Amino acid sequence: KQEVTQIPAALSVPEGENLVLNCSFTDSAIYNLQWFRQDPGKGLTSLLLIQSSQREQTSGRLNASLDKSSGRSTLYIAASQPGDSATYLCAVNYSGAGSYQLTFGKGTKLSVIP
Amino acid sequence: GAVVSQHPSWVICKSGTSVKIECRSLDFQATTMFWYRQFPKQSLMLMATSNEGSKATYEQGVEKDKFLINHASLTLSTLTVTSAHPEDSSFYICSARVGREGIYEQYFGPGTRLTVT
Repeated sequence: KQEVTQIPAALSVPEGENLVLNCSFTDSAIYNLQWFRQDPGKGLTSLLLIQSSQREQTSGRLNASLDKSSGRSTLYIAASQPGDSATYLCAVNYSGAGSYQLTFGKGTKLSVIP
Repeated sequence: GAVVSQHPSWVICKSGTSVKIECRSLDFQATTMFWYRQFPKQSLMLMATSNEGSKATYEQGVEKDKFLINHASLTLSTLTVTSAHPEDSSFYICSARVGREGIYEQYFGPGTRLTVT
Protein backbone atom coordinates (compact mmCIF):
# COMPACT_ATOMS: atom_id res chain seq x y z
CA LYS A 1 0.00 0.00 0.00
CA GLN A 2 1.34 3.40 -1.00
CA GLU A 3 1.78 5.91 1.81
CA VAL A 4 2.65 9.56 1.30
CA THR A 5 4.11 11.66 4.09
CA GLN A 6 4.61 15.40 4.10
CA ILE A 7 6.89 17.24 6.46
CA PRO A 8 6.44 19.67 8.08
CA ALA A 9 2.70 19.69 8.74
CA ALA A 10 2.80 23.45 9.11
CA LEU A 11 5.33 26.14 8.30
CA SER A 12 5.42 29.86 8.96
CA VAL A 13 7.98 32.09 7.24
CA PRO A 14 8.49 35.83 6.76
CA GLU A 15 7.79 37.27 3.35
CA GLY A 16 10.72 37.01 0.94
CA GLU A 17 12.21 33.83 2.31
CA ASN A 18 12.93 30.80 0.19
CA LEU A 19 11.46 27.58 1.53
CA VAL A 20 11.31 23.85 0.89
CA LEU A 21 8.42 21.48 1.42
CA ASN A 22 9.11 17.77 1.66
CA CYS A 23 7.19 14.74 0.45
CA SER A 24 8.11 11.07 0.78
CA PHE A 25 6.41 7.96 -0.53
CA THR A 26 6.87 4.30 0.29
CA ASP A 27 6.41 2.60 -3.08
CA SER A 28 8.78 3.88 -5.76
CA ALA A 29 6.77 2.28 -8.61
CA ILE A 30 5.06 5.53 -9.48
CA TYR A 31 4.05 7.03 -12.80
CA ASN A 32 4.13 10.61 -11.74
CA LEU A 33 3.95 12.95 -8.80
CA GLN A 34 1.92 16.11 -8.50
CA TRP A 35 2.04 19.08 -6.20
CA PHE A 36 -1.23 20.86 -5.52
CA ARG A 37 -2.27 23.98 -3.73
CA GLN A 38 -5.48 24.13 -1.71
CA ASP A 39 -6.89 27.34 -0.28
CA PRO A 40 -9.26 27.09 2.71
CA GLY A 41 -12.63 25.66 1.72
CA LYS A 42 -11.60 25.38 -1.90
CA GLY A 43 -10.66 22.66 -4.37
CA LEU A 44 -7.22 21.78 -5.62
CA THR A 45 -5.05 23.71 -8.04
CA SER A 46 -2.36 21.70 -9.78
CA LEU A 47 1.04 23.37 -9.49
CA LEU A 48 3.53 20.95 -10.99
CA LEU A 49 3.45 17.46 -12.45
CA ILE A 50 6.64 15.40 -12.63
CA GLN A 51 6.68 12.24 -14.68
CA SER A 52 8.63 9.31 -13.24
CA SER A 53 11.32 9.75 -15.89
CA GLN A 54 11.90 13.38 -14.95
CA ARG A 55 14.06 14.83 -12.17
CA GLU A 56 12.44 18.23 -11.81
CA GLN A 57 9.89 20.69 -13.09
CA THR A 58 9.81 24.45 -12.81
CA SER A 59 7.03 26.99 -13.00
CA GLY A 60 7.80 30.57 -12.09
CA ARG A 61 8.98 30.71 -8.50
CA LEU A 62 8.23 27.03 -7.97
CA ASN A 63 10.60 24.15 -8.53
CA ALA A 64 9.75 20.54 -7.79
CA SER A 65 12.28 17.73 -7.73
CA LEU A 66 11.78 14.00 -7.78
CA ASP A 67 14.10 11.24 -6.60
CA LYS A 68 12.10 8.13 -7.33
CA SER A 69 14.69 5.67 -6.04
CA SER A 70 14.70 7.23 -2.59
CA GLY A 71 10.98 7.96 -2.62
CA ARG A 72 11.30 11.70 -2.15
CA SER A 73 10.16 14.93 -3.70
CA THR A 74 10.67 18.54 -2.70
CA LEU A 75 8.81 21.70 -3.62
CA TYR A 76 10.98 24.79 -3.53
CA ILE A 77 9.30 28.17 -3.36
CA ALA A 78 11.52 31.16 -4.02
CA ALA A 79 10.94 34.64 -2.63
CA SER A 80 7.76 33.69 -0.80
CA GLN A 81 4.78 36.07 -0.80
CA PRO A 82 1.72 36.35 1.46
CA GLY A 83 -0.37 35.11 -1.47
CA ASP A 84 1.51 31.82 -1.29
CA SER A 85 -0.21 31.06 2.02
CA ALA A 86 -2.19 27.85 1.51
CA THR A 87 -1.99 24.12 2.10
CA TYR A 88 0.31 22.30 -0.28
CA LEU A 89 -0.51 18.70 -1.10
CA CYS A 90 1.75 16.11 -2.65
CA ALA A 91 0.18 13.19 -4.50
CA VAL A 92 1.66 10.19 -6.28
CA ASN A 93 0.09 8.40 -9.19
CA TYR A 94 0.93 4.71 -9.04
CA SER A 95 -0.36 1.45 -10.37
CA GLY A 96 -0.04 -0.64 -7.24
CA ALA A 97 -3.80 -1.00 -7.05
CA GLY A 98 -4.04 -1.54 -10.78
CA SER A 99 -6.04 1.56 -11.49
CA TYR A 100 -3.58 4.46 -11.56
CA GLN A 101 -4.85 6.11 -8.42
CA LEU A 102 -3.61 9.28 -6.79
CA THR A 103 -2.56 8.90 -3.19
CA PHE A 104 -2.33 12.13 -1.24
CA GLY A 105 -0.24 13.25 1.68
CA LYS A 106 -1.86 15.22 4.50
CA GLY A 107 -0.34 18.44 3.29
CA THR A 108 1.83 21.23 4.60
CA LYS A 109 0.03 24.38 5.72
CA LEU A 110 2.16 27.36 4.74
CA SER A 111 1.78 30.80 6.22
CA VAL A 112 3.82 33.65 4.76
CA ILE A 113 3.93 36.58 7.15
CA PRO A 114 4.02 40.09 5.58
CA GLY B 1 -8.80 24.28 -20.65
CA ALA B 2 -9.39 21.21 -18.47
CA VAL B 3 -11.96 22.79 -16.18
CA VAL B 4 -14.05 20.69 -13.81
CA SER B 5 -17.11 22.11 -12.13
CA GLN B 6 -19.18 20.88 -9.20
CA HIS B 7 -22.71 21.74 -8.22
CA PRO B 8 -23.73 22.72 -5.66
CA SER B 9 -20.73 24.35 -4.02
CA TRP B 10 -22.34 23.90 -0.63
CA VAL B 11 -25.49 22.25 0.67
CA ILE B 12 -27.19 21.86 4.02
CA CYS B 13 -29.66 19.03 4.46
CA LYS B 14 -31.56 17.33 7.23
CA SER B 15 -30.63 13.93 8.54
CA GLY B 16 -32.32 11.16 6.60
CA THR B 17 -32.62 13.01 3.32
CA SER B 18 -30.63 12.42 0.12
CA VAL B 19 -28.33 14.86 -1.62
CA LYS B 20 -27.02 14.76 -5.19
CA ILE B 21 -23.71 16.34 -6.20
CA GLU B 22 -22.81 16.87 -9.84
CA CYS B 23 -19.33 16.83 -11.34
CA ARG B 24 -18.85 18.08 -14.89
CA SER B 25 -15.87 18.31 -17.20
CA LEU B 26 -16.58 21.54 -19.08
CA ASP B 27 -14.22 21.47 -22.02
CA PHE B 28 -13.09 17.88 -22.32
CA GLN B 29 -14.40 14.36 -22.08
CA ALA B 30 -13.43 12.02 -19.28
CA THR B 31 -14.09 8.31 -19.26
CA THR B 32 -12.92 8.17 -15.66
CA MET B 33 -13.81 10.43 -12.78
CA PHE B 34 -12.96 10.10 -9.12
CA TRP B 35 -14.80 11.09 -5.95
CA TYR B 36 -12.87 12.09 -2.85
CA ARG B 37 -13.88 13.06 0.66
CA GLN B 38 -11.90 15.40 2.85
CA PHE B 39 -12.47 15.86 6.57
CA PRO B 40 -11.17 18.96 8.36
CA LYS B 41 -7.38 19.09 8.51
CA GLN B 42 -7.16 15.75 6.74
CA SER B 43 -6.06 14.81 3.27
CA LEU B 44 -8.22 13.66 0.41
CA MET B 45 -9.44 10.10 0.68
CA LEU B 46 -10.54 8.33 -2.46
CA MET B 47 -14.10 7.07 -2.19
CA ALA B 48 -14.72 5.58 -5.61
CA THR B 49 -13.69 5.49 -9.23
CA SER B 50 -16.44 6.31 -11.68
CA ASN B 51 -16.23 4.90 -15.21
CA GLU B 52 -18.55 6.08 -17.96
CA GLY B 53 -21.11 3.46 -18.84
CA SER B 54 -20.19 1.01 -16.11
CA LYS B 55 -20.49 0.53 -12.37
CA ALA B 56 -18.30 2.51 -10.05
CA THR B 57 -15.47 0.89 -8.14
CA TYR B 58 -15.62 1.67 -4.43
CA GLU B 59 -12.73 1.80 -2.00
CA GLN B 60 -12.71 -0.45 0.99
CA GLY B 61 -14.96 0.83 3.73
CA VAL B 62 -17.12 2.99 1.46
CA GLU B 63 -20.76 1.86 1.35
CA LYS B 64 -21.86 1.65 -2.26
CA ASP B 65 -25.54 1.64 -1.31
CA LYS B 66 -25.09 4.85 0.62
CA PHE B 67 -22.94 6.70 -1.88
CA LEU B 68 -24.55 6.14 -5.27
CA ILE B 69 -22.43 7.09 -8.26
CA ASN B 70 -23.70 7.47 -11.79
CA HIS B 71 -21.45 8.30 -14.74
CA ALA B 72 -24.02 8.55 -17.51
CA SER B 73 -21.98 10.58 -19.98
CA LEU B 74 -18.38 11.48 -20.76
CA THR B 75 -18.82 14.86 -19.10
CA LEU B 76 -20.99 14.16 -16.07
CA SER B 77 -20.71 12.05 -12.95
CA THR B 78 -23.06 12.33 -9.98
CA LEU B 79 -22.67 11.32 -6.35
CA THR B 80 -25.84 10.84 -4.32
CA VAL B 81 -25.52 10.61 -0.57
CA THR B 82 -28.57 8.64 0.52
CA SER B 83 -30.13 8.83 3.97
CA ALA B 84 -27.52 11.34 5.03
CA HIS B 85 -26.35 11.50 8.63
CA PRO B 86 -24.31 14.14 10.45
CA GLU B 87 -21.17 12.00 10.15
CA ASP B 88 -21.48 12.33 6.36
CA SER B 89 -20.79 16.05 6.69
CA SER B 90 -17.59 16.63 4.78
CA PHE B 91 -16.00 18.29 1.78
CA TYR B 92 -16.55 16.22 -1.36
CA ILE B 93 -14.23 16.75 -4.32
CA CYS B 94 -14.39 15.16 -7.75
CA SER B 95 -11.72 14.90 -10.39
CA ALA B 96 -11.61 13.94 -14.04
CA ARG B 97 -8.76 12.03 -15.59
CA VAL B 98 -7.21 12.65 -18.98
CA GLY B 99 -4.28 11.14 -20.81
CA ARG B 100 -3.26 7.59 -21.43
CA GLU B 101 -1.69 4.78 -19.48
CA GLY B 102 1.35 5.97 -17.59
CA ILE B 103 0.79 9.62 -18.45
CA TYR B 104 -2.48 10.35 -16.71
CA GLU B 105 -3.32 13.69 -15.15
CA GLN B 106 -6.29 14.57 -12.98
CA TYR B 107 -8.14 17.86 -12.88
CA PHE B 108 -10.09 18.66 -9.76
CA GLY B 109 -13.38 20.35 -9.15
CA PRO B 110 -13.82 23.14 -6.58
CA GLY B 111 -15.49 20.84 -4.09
CA THR B 112 -18.90 20.65 -2.41
CA ARG B 113 -19.32 21.32 1.29
CA LEU B 114 -22.05 19.07 2.71
CA THR B 115 -23.48 19.77 6.13
CA VAL B 116 -26.05 17.36 7.54
CA THR B 117 -28.06 18.67 10.48
